[in-house]
Amino acid sequence: QKEVEQDPGPLSVPEGAIVSLNCTYSNSAFQYFMWYRQYSRKGPELLMYTYSSGNKEDGRFTAQVDKSSKYISLFIRDSQPSDSATYLCAIHQGAQKLVFGQGTRLTINP
Amino acid sequence: DAGITQSPRHKVTETGTPVTLRCHQTENHRYMYWYRQDPGHGLRLIHYSYGVKDTDKGEVSDGYSVSRSKTEDFLLTLESATSSQTSVYFCAISGIIVGASPYEQYFGPGTRLTVT
Repeated sequence: QKEVEQDPGPLSVPEGAIVSLNCTYSNSAFQYFMWYRQYSRKGPELLMYTYSSGNKEDGRFTAQVDKSSKYISLFIRDSQPSDSATYLCAIHQGAQKLVFGQGTRLTINP
Repeated sequence: DAGITQSPRHKVTETGTPVTLRCHQTENHRYMYWYRQDPGHGLRLIHYSYGVKDTDKGEVSDGYSVSRSKTEDFLLTLESATSSQTSVYFCAISGIIVGASPYEQYFGPGTRLTVT
């Protein structure tokens, strides 16, 4: 079993829709959870991170962690075509290392 | 842009030849990483460094070596390139940034390597 599982998609939704992106993880000791956004042919850029359980909101983006289910989510409200990208979850594995999900490719259709 | 450059940005090489990729940072961060990204596998850690001359292996280190003789530079070498090493290679940095998690990593623009 992979340490972090993420549905690769692709996911295609109309503009303005609420998008839900999800990852599951196996090690209950993980504490830091991150979301990266990667545009085509670019490096990943950090979108937001959360520590332990709960929600964190940044504009149209909300990151949610459910440690009891080992489940993390990223919600995008009022999605825009500029949100079209690959979204990667990442979890701090220890020793300053991150383990990444496979990435979900998202397309927002105008 | 987190002050990270990678060179070259694109390279085509033949099987069996040595290849060195360079990562350069201007942020003076302690930690540097090399990843490869392939369809169906996401980002996988090759090697990382936690200081000058201090390096360790990641998940997919076979066939790769690294060196870090200066804080700002982290080199990845493919001793004898194989077609399975065709990939996009990303360098990343992390360190102590005021107001941020110490585990956040910031990525360079990538190097697209093709081994024929």
